[in-house]
Parts: sequence; C-alpha cells; structure tokens
Amino acid sequence: SAVISQKPSRDICQRGTSLTIQCQVDSQVTMMFWYRQQPGQSLTLIATANQGSEATYESGFVIDKFPISRPNLTFSTLTVSNMSPEDSSIYLCSAEGNGNTGELFFGEGSRLTVL
Amino acid sequence: ILNVEQSPQSLHVQEGDSTNFTCSFPSSNFYALHWYRWETAKSPEALFVMTLNGDEKKKGRISATLNTKEGYSYLYIKGSQPEDSATYLCASSNFGNEKLTFGTGTRLTIIP
Repeated sequence: SAVISQKPSRDICQRGTSLTIQCQVDSQVTMMFWYRQQPGQSLTLIATANQGSEATYESGFVIDKFPISRPNLTFSTLTVSNMSPEDSSIYLCSAEGNGNTGELFFGEGSRLTVL
Repeated sequence: ILNVEQSPQSLHVQEGDSTNFTCSFPSSNFYALHWYRWETAKSPEALFVMTLNGDEKKKGRISATLNTKEGYSYLYIKGSQPEDSATYLCASSNFGNEKLTFGTGTRLTIIP
C-alpha cells in the first residue's frame, strides 16, 4: 500500500491566479496520476506524471493550463494556472500500487474554489 | 454503453438494512473493474479489483459481483452501519488503454 499526502487540502483563489498542489508518497511508485472532480461529475484523469520527463495529458487538458512536475519517484506537483471559476474542483493525486492489480491509492484531495 | 454509469445517484438506508447498487461499463475489450469507497474529507479507498467474468469478492459485510459479458457489477452491503456512509465509485479499464474511467458514484447515507 502507499500513503499519499496532499496539500493544500482546500483553498479559495482569485480569478487569474495560479495555485500549485503538492503530492508526497511514502514509498517509491512508478505511476502517479492527477485527477479532477468537478461538482456533480465523475473523477476525470488530467494527466500521468512521468518521472524525469514531461507529463502525459489526457484529451482536453494541456500543459500550459496544468503544468506538472515529477522530480523523483515519491513527489509530484500540479499547478492550476490562470484560474477561472470553472476550475473549482477537487483535485486528487493518486499512485498505482506496486502489485499487479492496477489498484490506485489516493491523496485526500485539494478542494479549490475560484471566485 | 460508452461510459461508466452508476445507479442510483444517491441512497438513504436504515441502519441494519442491506442494500446494493449498480455499475454499468463498456463490455467490449474489458480489462478490469474497480470499486472505491470515498468518505467525506478522506482519501478514496480501494475495495475491490475484479477482472474475470463471474468474479465475486467479499470484504467483511461488503461484497461485489462482476458480469463482463453484459457489462455490469453489483456492490452489496449487508447490515448497513453508519460508518458505511460514503460515496462508492466504480471504474473500468480496457485492454490497450488501462487507465480507469470512473462513474459519478453512488452516495450512500445510513440513517441511524
């Protein structure tokens, strides 16, 4: 199993500003992911955070809006840039367990409200 | 079915009663079905990962079944307790694209 710490847990942000969310895993993991859950919607994958290289973004998400860092096998950051009210969401960091089940471990989420 | 769909969206159950809810997913090229429990202010927690048609898994009072041919999974909770109150998420993946697609969840509230 993996324990994932994520911060901030919540924030209220002004339109046009940027916020960086940090994710720390208590063990080395190969795969780390960033998800978003907008109100009333399902968890949606933003990108896969790749260690030592650029993140792999899903359709509809771009690096300029959601820059991601992954400097090592235990840490990643997601920045939400130039925020608008539509970015108000819960952002979740996750990591795939080291077994072969594909099971994901999640952080507690960062609830962002953009005014 | 192109997306993962869960029903009902929300559910109130009396403490002690049993309940179940449904996850429907694309059956073609199916790889795996996951169930997660997400309590308020906590991390989503994996309950089950199932891959084979006919799989049944159990963890305490919670169990799940899988039908990959028709593309559905049921989650059962026996003798509901207040600590079962949470949102239950299912997610499926396919061969060739093993990233999970999540449903919108079933929000379960146990009434003491």
